[in-house]
Amino acid sequence: DTGVSQDPRHKITKRGQNVTFRCDPISEHNRLYWYRQTLGQGPEFLTYFQNEAQLEKSRLLSDRFSAERPKGSFSTLEIQRTEQGDSAMYLCASNYMGGIIGNEQFFGPGTRLTVL
Amino acid sequence: GEDVEQSLFLSVREGDSSVINCTYTDSSSTYLYWYKQEPGAGLQLLTYIFSNMDMKQDQRLTVLLNKKDKHLSLRIADTQTGDSAIYFCAESNDYKLSFGAGTTVTVRA
Repeated sequence: DTGVSQDPRHKITKRGQNVTFRCDPISEHNRLYWYRQTLGQGPEFLTYFQNEAQLEKSRLLSDRFSAERPKGSFSTLEIQRTEQGDSAMYLCASNYMGGIIGNEQFFGPGTRLTVL
Repeated sequence: GEDVEQSLFLSVREGDSSVINCTYTDSSSTYLYWYKQEPGAGLQLLTYIFSNMDMKQDQRLTVLLNKKDKHLSLRIADTQTGDSAIYFCAESNDYKLSFGAGTTVTVRA
């Protein structure tokens, strides 16, 4: 079990460009979550998947954001027409619904996005 | 909605106890969690408490829960330099975690 991995770890882009992040959850975890963390704040929920179905989206997730989990394994988060306000750490987490410790989620190291 | 609040900073001398406090609003939370975040690393679950408990001890960690006041605390005994990090409390509904802003703990020699 290698844990949750995310790629890239860092991304610098210019305003208006599109970016895509990837998350590989712990194998056999059927739930996958995306959070955003800005400086000095805790993570804020963006969206989550159960298998390949996207079941909930936060109002933080504007139309410029889209997430997919096509085969119920890895997930991608795309941001179109990036804005400086999108600069943040994007965290991915996974777990197995019905796990022992309620909703314990296992987090990846995050992708730090800087929009210039 | 959920709103979790924590004090932002704590400075403690090595060997002393640290106490981090948190208040939450969602009385339906079944589990409450403490996560630790170190620079360049993801969030790591430190400990948790089930909502029908009022105390849980796990080695150097003690969690106290006052459900009536919606108050949660984490005590770290014999604080070490490796305990320097940001600590987040979180409450959970069925699917998402709601985090506080985090308490930065600095351990001084």
